[in-house]
Amino acid sequence: AQTVTQSQPEMSVQEAETVTLSCTYDTSESDYYLFWYKQPPSRQMILVIRQEAYKQQNATENRFSVNFQKAAKSFSLKISDSQLGDAAMYFCAYFPDSNYQLIWGAGTKLIIKP
Amino acid sequence: NAGVTQTPKFRILKIGQSMTLQCTQDMNHNYMYWYRQDPGMGLKLIYYSVGAGITDKGEVPNGYNVSRSTTEDFPLRLELAAPSQTSVYFCASRNGGNTIYFGEGSWLTVV
Repeated sequence: AQTVTQSQPEMSVQEAETVTLSCTYDTSESDYYLFWYKQPPSRQMILVIRQEAYKQQNATENRFSVNFQKAAKSFSLKISDSQLGDAAMYFCAYFPDSNYQLIWGAGTKLIIKP
Repeated sequence: NAGVTQTPKFRILKIGQSMTLQCTQDMNHNYMYWYRQDPGMGLKLIYYSVGAGITDKGEVPNGYNVSRSTTEDFPLRLELAAPSQTSVYFCASRNGGNTIYFGEGSWLTVV
């Protein structure tokens, strides 16, 4: 079965510091996509970053970057220079190329300390 | 620049009542999804559709029905509402690519 695991229910970081959120997944597919979504208290789902499995280069979006380790089936999110507005739930999601559905992790609550 | 639009945003239902959550997208996307998110939890797929006239069950379909008569619209019907259906509901869509676009969510409380 394809699963996504986020082992950290909650993380906290000091403002301006760096934090890494973990995500692992289980699959036998070779082509797929991985995503990090942010969900602030408003509950809106906001795409943070995505990674295509066939690309070896790690995706980056401004202060957000990923460490994609395909062999280890690991997809962690690094947030640099954390800001108060980064406080939210972060969900990791896996999307196999052969399916129609995203498979979601349970989420990590990120707390930013001022 | 509408994207995915859900209505209503908030609704309180009494046990046993029925209602329809509306979802429409203006991006001509073939794939549409309905998720529910219980407090402190991730998203669970209720139903999805790969095109007009085609729908299929997701992980938690019981108590719900959907239809997809047009590309744009994908309404979710709740029959005989139960307290266990208290949740936030998200509609989403995507094209042939792999980015999913979400609506803003519909907060449903069943009392």
